Order: sequence, then C-alpha cells, then structure tokens
Amino acid sequence: AQSVTQLGSHVSVSEGALVLLRCNYSSSVPPYLFWYVQYPNQGLQLLLKYTSAATLVKGINGFEAEFKKSETSFHLTKPSAHMSDAAEYFCAVRAGGTSYGKLTFGQGTILTVHP
Amino acid sequence: EPEVTQTPSHQVTQMGQEVILRCVPISNHLYFYWYRQILGQKVEFLVSFYNNEISEKSEIFDDQFSVERPDGSNFTLKIRSTKLEDSAMYFCASSGTVEKLFFGSGTQLSVL
Repeated sequence: AQSVTQLGSHVSVSEGALVLLRCNYSSSVPPYLFWYVQYPNQGLQLLLKYTSAATLVKGINGFEAEFKKSETSFHLTKPSAHMSDAAEYFCAVRAGGTSYGKLTFGQGTILTVHP
Repeated sequence: EPEVTQTPSHQVTQMGQEVILRCVPISNHLYFYWYRQILGQKVEFLVSFYNNEISEKSEIFDDQFSVERPDGSNFTLKIRSTKLEDSAMYFCASSGTVEKLFFGSGTQLSVL
C-alpha cells in the first residue's frame, strides 16, 4: 500500500521568501506523485505531477517539485512567495498499476503568506 | 475554465435516512470519482467510475454506497442509510484522457 506524509500542517512565510512544503511517500511500486492546491471555498486544483519522466517537475504559478527516489521525497518549492499563494496544499500518490485517479493524499499543509 | 459543480453545498440529514449527493462533471470527461474528507482527517478515495461501471473502490465504499450516472451530465453518490460517521465533506472529481483530476468544491454532509 502507498502512503504520503506531509511534514508540517502549517507553514508561514513572508511575501517574497522561499516556499518549501515537504512531502514524503511510501510505495512498493514506482509511484506517480501529485501536488494539489485548494483555495478557500474551491475544489482541489492540480499544481503539478510526476509520472516517471523528468525528476524536476514544473507546475503552474511558479511552483516546482523534485522527485528524489533515494529520499522518497517530492517536496514542493517556489522561489518567491506571493500573497495569492495562501492556500492549503496536498501531496498525493498513486501506485503504478492502479486505476487513474485513485489517489492517496497527505493530510495537507496550510500555507500562510505574510506581507 | 470548465469546472465540476456539486449540489448542494451543505446537506443535513437524520441518521438512517438516504441521501443523494449530486455532481455535474466537466462535459467531455470520461472518468469520475468520489472522495471524502472527515473533519481533521485526510482526503480519502471512495470510488472511480468509467464507461458506466465502477472501475475501483475503496474499503470505505461498502454496500451502503452506490454511484450512478443517470444521464449524460450528472454523477451521483447515494448513501442508503446514513450513519453519524458518514459526516464529511464529499468531493466529486472528473478527468479526461490525461490524469488531471478536476475537483468540485464539495458537499458538506452532516448526519444528526
């Protein structure tokens, strides 16, 4: 079975500072990894995904994530935070061989951006 | 951008009652899903649906749950006899040929 752990349920940064949201996964087979973002009163929106191509994945809104197999990590970063980045971020994994969309989510990290 | 629509946004029901949660997926999508999030817990997969049948379901999705695509636009989740522990936010999602799920904003179900 696969699982995801997001380190830190709340992360606070200043506007313009580096954003780093941590995600570690566990999977017995090569995983597909995703980051989703949820703004208040909205559904989850895909930021980026890793599907065994390039290990550095670029997503929307300037976010990127690096797949590190040796560390079983898929941390999300953005060089410079913007106020509009304030939201809840979810890391998710799907094991290869399972059906599309059967995702296992982490518990989420709420990102706060201070002026 | 197209979006997944869920109705109602909040639903309150009595324990033992049947409830139907409704979703309108994006029109040209082929895959449909239900997830739920109990307060303070992780978002959990319930079921995926493709070509008018369930393609995969979780252990949570027991005989009390069913899904249906009654027409070309709606996708519903029915809980036959609700329990207190069914109280959660239920998310519908859909995807096309690429694995990019589009989620609705959820229906908050409260079972009293």
